[in-house]
Amino acid sequence: DTAVSQTPKYLVTQMGNDKSIKCEQNLGHDTMYWYKQDSKKFLKIMFSYNNKELIINETVPNRFSPKSPDKAHLNLHINSLELGDSAVYFCASSQGQGFEKLFFGSGTQLSVL
Amino acid sequence: DAKTTQPPSMDCAEGRAANLPCNHSTISGNEYVYWYRQIHSQGPQYIIHGLKNNETNEMASLIITEDRKSSTLILPHATLRDTAVYYCIVSKPDSWGKLQFGAGTQVVVTP
Repeated sequence: DTAVSQTPKYLVTQMGNDKSIKCEQNLGHDTMYWYKQDSKKFLKIMFSYNNKELIINETVPNRFSPKSPDKAHLNLHINSLELGDSAVYFCASSQGQGFEKLFFGSGTQLSVL
Repeated sequence: DAKTTQPPSMDCAEGRAANLPCNHSTISGNEYVYWYRQIHSQGPQYIIHGLKNNETNEMASLIITEDRKSSTLILPHATLRDTAVYYCIVSKPDSWGKLQFGAGTQVVVTP
């Protein structure tokens, strides 16, 4: 079983649409994250959630709304998609405050046309 | 969090040791050194981390200088599957996963 799985792997959509990316982890971790990797390959954290509570929001536009229905899931909903949202989005999880290590999913390639 | 400096790229022959340097001269006392790698089209993968002592696991060894201003990741016997971008990151233990990834070092292992 994949430890951190996210769907879909590829997402192509038009500007202005609303889309969601789903993430699930089966590691029993209590903290989950969303990272964004832009076209220059820089990885940057967007959100951290611990036990379904938001811990970090790195000045992400309000169009991005994470939802954590339970500790094993952290979905990312994006409203009114813009061209600049095109990127690879990675979900990750860890135990506690992420001291030991983060486990990353394989990424969702989002292309906004 | 302290910033790190890594060479942009390096080559390594298959079967040889790969030594990846990292400078973190502004590291503070409670910041750990983490190494991750990202194989093409995959998510980042944790390799190892340490505070001041040298560390070894099944993937690699981490050597941290006594003044903690630099470190070296050692892949003891590089394979083609070790071709990846390697990131050196310094972070506090209570960072809630906020890892500052830089540009990393592109390592290419050649036959």
